[in-house]
Amino acid sequence: NAGVTQTPKFQVLKTGQSMTLQCAQDMNHNSMYWYRQDPGMGLRLIYYSASEGTTDKGEVPNGYNVSRLNKREFSLRLESAAPSQTSVYFCASSAWAGTLEAFFGQGTRLTVV
Amino acid sequence: EDKVVQSPLSLVVHEGDTVTLNCSYEVTNFRSLLWYKQEKKAPTFLFMLTSSGIEKKSGRLSSILDKKELFSILNITATQTGDSAVYLCAVDPTGGGTSYGKLTFGQGTILTVHP
Repeated sequence: NAGVTQTPKFQVLKTGQSMTLQCAQDMNHNSMYWYRQDPGMGLRLIYYSASEGTTDKGEVPNGYNVSRLNKREFSLRLESAAPSQTSVYFCASSAWAGTLEAFFGQGTRLTVV
Repeated sequence: EDKVVQSPLSLVVHEGDTVTLNCSYEVTNFRSLLWYKQEKKAPTFLFMLTSSGIEKKSGRLSSILDKKELFSILNITATQTGDSAVYLCAVDPTGGGTSYGKLTFGQGTILTVHP
């Protein structure tokens, strides 16, 4: 039972570099989400995809782009990384928009130097 | 702006103690409130509460929602060292229409249980 799988688990980037965080779920969920977690801030929603083919901004979308590649996969791209994007990133999925029991991946710890 | 505030931010207890974690919220269109436990990695789901006054229970953990006063509590009785974690409260503020499950999270409460 893989659930939600994120790659990579750790990443160090230099300011200005780009990278893509990958997320895949095998639960046939319709909705997928990207959150970031910073100390003292809880989790904040970056982008979400209510269903395949749709994406929308969350609370903190600036500096990020997403792609819902298919029903299983939802990627997060940093085009030009900044130190303020140092964080732990979580991907999550839920069965659909009306089901709120979200399942989380194991997180990606990103450091931008 | 939707807001979820948890208290205390951290708590240190000894095994066997009972703890109460608090979560208050201000959201435009409340749909439900969720509790998660986060150990080293991913948050794991504990409870979802939608109705006032109905207690959800799972072993030593229980939770209740007060929609009039806009808060929820999570109780853990007879704590064990394995209960040490960050406990996250989240609210879905998108009720009254199509919900996209966009959770607004509190800061979390760090619980440390000493032997």
